[in-house]
Amino acid sequence: GAGVSQSPRYKVAKRGQDVALRCDPISGHVSLFWYQQALGQGPEFLTYFQNEAQLDKSGLPSDRFFAERPEGSVSTLKIQRTQQEDSAVYLCASSLGTGEGYGYTFGSGTRLTVV
Amino acid sequence: KNEVEQSPQNLTAQEGEFITINCSYSVGISALHWLQQHPGGGIVSLFMLSSGKKKHGRLIATINIQEKHSSLHITASHPRDSAVYICAPRAQKLVFGQGTRLTINP
Repeated sequence: GAGVSQSPRYKVAKRGQDVALRCDPISGHVSLFWYQQALGQGPEFLTYFQNEAQLDKSGLPSDRFFAERPEGSVSTLKIQRTQQEDSAVYLCASSLGTGEGYGYTFGSGTRLTVV
Repeated sequence: KNEVEQSPQNLTAQEGEFITINCSYSVGISALHWLQQHPGGGIVSLFMLSSGKKKHGRLIATINIQEKHSSLHITASHPRDSAVYICAPRAQKLVFGQGTRLTINP
């Protein structure tokens, strides 16, 4: 596609519910990043993939958060047993390469509200 | 710890004014991004730079690697420039500043 596509655009979940957020990066983009952005804050790093390999998951806040990119393209961020503090915008970004010459393209984000 | 500091956090100006947003960082970086985020919208990458200066339309970005400082300037500001501007130095991954909320009044 022409850009990074995220779905759903909005998600309301009841506390304790599991959710899955999808990111379709630009075709051919090697690097894929997930960020969490709380209201009024800057994005915070969650995890990073290079192709299908998850190279860094140091930003995942708890073991309720899990991300995968099994075929090196589409990625899914899963949150189990959602809590109110999980409410945020989840942003996905992709990059053609890993070097400094490669820019990032961001998706529009998924706004998750846990009630 | 704050690896990236932006100033000001909020800025309100009149249409036509020259705008400067500053970013200081402590991490070693390979490049730095300036990003724009509109309310309810996604993030748009404005610039990626690793040295010197870049210009795109009314936007100018500068970086001083030695001083670990970057600035974003907007000339002849317009109400449509109202958005949050985020500085994001890039080490292995992007590290985001808290953002500067810019409001341009007509």
